[in-house]
Amino acid sequence: AQKITQTQPGMFVQEKEAVTLDCTYDTSDQSYGLFWYKQPSSGEMIFLIYQGSYDEQNATEGRYSLNFQKARKSANLVISASQLGDSAMYFCAMREGTAGGTSYGKLTFGQGTILTVHP
Amino acid sequence: SAVISQKPSRDICQRGTSLTIQCQVDSQVTMMFWYRQQPGQSLTLIATANQGSEATYESGFVIDKFPISRPNLTFSTLTVSNMSPEDSSIYLCSVATGFRSHEQYFGPGTRLTVT
Repeated sequence: AQKITQTQPGMFVQEKEAVTLDCTYDTSDQSYGLFWYKQPSSGEMIFLIYQGSYDEQNATEGRYSLNFQKARKSANLVISASQLGDSAMYFCAMREGTAGGTSYGKLTFGQGTILTVHP
Repeated sequence: SAVISQKPSRDICQRGTSLTIQCQVDSQVTMMFWYRQQPGQSLTLIATANQGSEATYESGFVIDKFPISRPNLTFSTLTVSNMSPEDSSIYLCSVATGFRSHEQYFGPGTRLTVT
C-alpha cells in the first residue's frame, strides 16, 4: 500500500526567505507521480508542482521546486522568496498506477504542513 | 486543463437528513473521484466514479451512506445520507483529465456542517 509522510505539522518562515517542506513516500510501484497542493483557508486545492517517477530532473514551477531523491523516497517542496500569501496548508500526494489503468488518478495524501509566513 | 464546479459551495444540515453534492466538469473525463476532508485532517478518498459502471468505494465507505451517480462524462453527484455531525467535512471532487502526467484537478469543495 502507498503511504505519504509529512513530518512537519507546522513551519514558520520569514518573508522573502526560502523554506523546505518535507515529504517521504513508500510504494512498490515503479511508475508513480508525486504532487504538491496548497490549500488556503477557503478550502480549495491548488496544484503547485508535479514530479514523475521517471523524470530525471527536479521539477520547477516559478518559486516552487521539488527536490526529488528517488533512492531516499523523498520529494521535498522548496518555496523560494516566501510571500505572505504563501501562508496555507500544504499537502504532498502520490498517484498510483500508470495512465489508462483502472486505478489511475487515485491520490494518497500526507497529513499536511501548515506554513506560516511572518512579515 | 479542466474547470470543475461544485454545488452547493456550503450547507448547514440537520442530522438524519441527506445532501446531494453536484460536480460538473467543463470537459469529458473518464474518471472522477470524491474525497472527504474532515476538520483539521487530510484528504481521504471516498470512491472512484466511472461513467457507465458502479462506483468503487474505498475501505470504510459504503454505497448506502455515500451513493454516487455518474450519468455522463462531465457530471457526478455524491449523496451524504442520514447525516450525523461526524459527516461535517469538506467534500471535494477531482478528475484526472488524461494521460499527461500533471493533469489532476480539484473542484472548489463543498463545506458541509451537520448540526
